[in-house]
Amino acid sequence: DAKTTQPTSMDCAEGRAANLPCNHSTISGNEYVYWYRQIHSQGPQYIIHGLKNNETNEMASLIITEDRKSSTLILPHATLRDTAVYYCIVRVSNTNAGKSTFGDGTTLTVKP
Amino acid sequence: SAVISQKPSRDICQRGTSLTIQCQVDSQVTMMFWYRQQPGQSLTLIATANQGSEATYESGFVIDKFPISRPNLTFSTLTVSNMSPEDSSIYLCSVHGTGGYGYTFGSGTRLTVV
Repeated sequence: DAKTTQPTSMDCAEGRAANLPCNHSTISGNEYVYWYRQIHSQGPQYIIHGLKNNETNEMASLIITEDRKSSTLILPHATLRDTAVYYCIVRVSNTNAGKSTFGDGTTLTVKP
Repeated sequence: SAVISQKPSRDICQRGTSLTIQCQVDSQVTMMFWYRQQPGQSLTLIATANQGSEATYESGFVIDKFPISRPNLTFSTLTVSNMSPEDSSIYLCSVHGTGGYGYTFGSGTRLTVV
């Protein structure tokens, strides 16, 4: 799996958009970008994934650059409950494709 | 996506003893993954458990310390053997989600070794 680089920490005001960047310059053509978050003391939770097109679901939007070397997770209206560690991972999507490697992630703190 | 039941949720154990963690999935899955998360750190993969074969361990992890069982396609156990305080961590099991929707994780086992 390709290595990812994320900022260690970010702050965001409640109600504002949180934009979390991720660099994955060595991503392969068949690798997807996945985002997870881990709220304190819980298991990580899947948020969203994409290959090359921008994606949106009920939780977030994912913007992937045209060269696919970086991406941004957008939480459009951050709430205090979005305070968590956010992990960006790149891997093939096939369910039998094996393990994933977690980097250090970004600790997002949403402030009132 | 799959639902995982992991237990125990937490335990405090004496050094030198062993603890077995169980993960039950509500659907059949080929692979189950066991992770360790040390205090303040990210997740580190311990091993991949396949049904009907020996688990595949990552560098730095050995079967004698972390024996894994995978008796069927919905269940796995991880044992932390001969524990020391350095084994104090959160242990998590995980499976692939369906439809390519990433991994599903158990709620974790918070282990404290005293």
